[in-house]
Amino acid sequence: NAGVTQTPKFQVLKTGQSMTLQCAQDMNHEYMSWYRQDPGMGLRLIHYSVGAGITDQGEVPNGYNVSRSTTEDFPLRLLSAAPSQTSVYFCASSYSVPGTNSPLHFGNGTRLTVT
Amino acid sequence: AQSVSQHNHHVILSEAASLELGCNYSYGGTVNLFWYVQYPGQHLQLLLKYFSGDPLVKGIKGFEAEFIKSKFSFNLRKPSVQWSDTAEYFCAVTYNNNDMRFGAGTRLTVKP
Repeated sequence: NAGVTQTPKFQVLKTGQSMTLQCAQDMNHEYMSWYRQDPGMGLRLIHYSVGAGITDQGEVPNGYNVSRSTTEDFPLRLLSAAPSQTSVYFCASSYSVPGTNSPLHFGNGTRLTVT
Repeated sequence: AQSVSQHNHHVILSEAASLELGCNYSYGGTVNLFWYVQYPGQHLQLLLKYFSGDPLVKGIKGFEAEFIKSKFSFNLRKPSVQWSDTAEYFCAVTYNNNDMRFGAGTRLTVKP
């Protein structure tokens, strides 16, 4: 199993550009989520999904869209990038929702810089 | 809003010293508690978790944590740290089973 795969690993955008961060898992996990990691602020939840066709907002959803058309994929879209979105983005998945005995598996992260 | 606080931003220890990293969470009813570790250049990995039962939980690599409900705390401990424990440590809490919140993290540097 590859686990949680994120692409790209690095990305530089200009303000106003759009892009999609890809996340795929091959563990048949129902739960998937996106976090951003910023110095001194830890990981903050952007959006999450408890199954195909179901998504919900986390702590910091503004400026980001998600969809979950399949169990395996959970892309994160930035419609109009802003410098405040410069961060490291982590995708995570688990067999069931995090409150159960089901640990999160993290991808290797995408480092995004918006100039 | 629910929140998780980690008191120490950066901890520097010598090898063989004892470690305790603080974690407090805001009240939100039933909680599940976790510690994750991020080694340099790597993604987060689960160290240990608490769901119920014995409030003293043991994890991988000699780490343990104690859940003290009255203090809303879940501190991480290790009796004797090694250079390889140099990493960033994150406390995390789930409040409603769908939403895992992380603390800001504590960077641990262990000097050989």
